[in-house]
Amino acid sequence: QSALTQPASVSGSPGQSITISCTGTSSDVGGYNYVSWYQQHPGKAPKLMIYDVSNRPSGVSNRFSGSKSGNTASLTISGLQAEDEADYYCSSYTSSSTVFGTGTKVTVL
Amino acid sequence: QVTLKESGPVLVKPTETLTLTCTVSGFSLSNARMGVSWIRQPPGKALEWLAHIFSNDEKSYSTSLKSRLTISKDTSKSQVVLTMTNMDPVDTATYYCARIVKFPGYYFDYWGQGTLVTVSS
Repeated sequence: QSALTQPASVSGSPGQSITISCTGTSSDVGGYNYVSWYQQHPGKAPKLMIYDVSNRPSGVSNRFSGSKSGNTASLTISGLQAEDEADYYCSSYTSSSTVFGTGTKVTVL
Repeated sequence: QVTLKESGPVLVKPTETLTLTCTVSGFSLSNARMGVSWIRQPPGKALEWLAHIFSNDEKSYSTSLKSRLTISKDTSKSQVVLTMTNMDPVDTATYYCARIVKFPGYYFDYWGQGTLVTVSS
C-alpha cells in the first residue's frame, strides 16, 4: 500500500485554472473508478470534493472537476479563488483497503 | 444529519495501548452500504488510512500496521472502536473516523473533527 504520488505544491493566480495529479498503479487508481479527492484547510477535517473519479457531492462548487487516465487521476480547479487555498489529497480503493496520496498544497498567489 | 465524533486519551505513554471510540449519528452501522474507517495524520504530514469495518463485520487493516490494530463495532451503541498496541512517539497524530460509502462507489463522505493523540513519556 504505497502512497499515491501527488505534487507537493501547485499555485495559481485568482481566476486561473490549476490541475493536481495523483499517480498510482494498476492495483489502485488504474484498477478501479473509485478515486476521490479531499480538501483540507489548516486545523480542519478533510472535506469530500470529488468521488468516483468525477462526481461532485451536493454543495461542492462546479469549479472542481475530476478525471482519470490510466494510473493517473487529476483534480482541476477552475476560476481559482482565495478560499481554495488548502491541502488536497487524493484517495483510491485498492483491494479491500484504501490508499491516500502524498498531498498537495494549493497556494493562491 | 450525519455526524461522527472521536473520543479517547490525548496523551499515551510509549508501549501503551491506545483505544479510540467513534460515536456516529444520523446513520446506522447496520446499513449495508456504509462503514467506518479510521484515518490518521501526523502533524504536518499526509493522511494515512488505518482500518475499516462494515455492517457485515468485514474488516480490513493497513498492511504496515495490521499486527497492532483491532477494529470493532457496537451497532446498538452506534460506536466503532479502534485499538492500537505498543504505541510509539511516531504514532503521534490526529486520528479521524470517517463514514465510508461503498459499492456503488467508494468514498469518505463525512468525517469527525479528529482527536490529537500525543505519545510521550
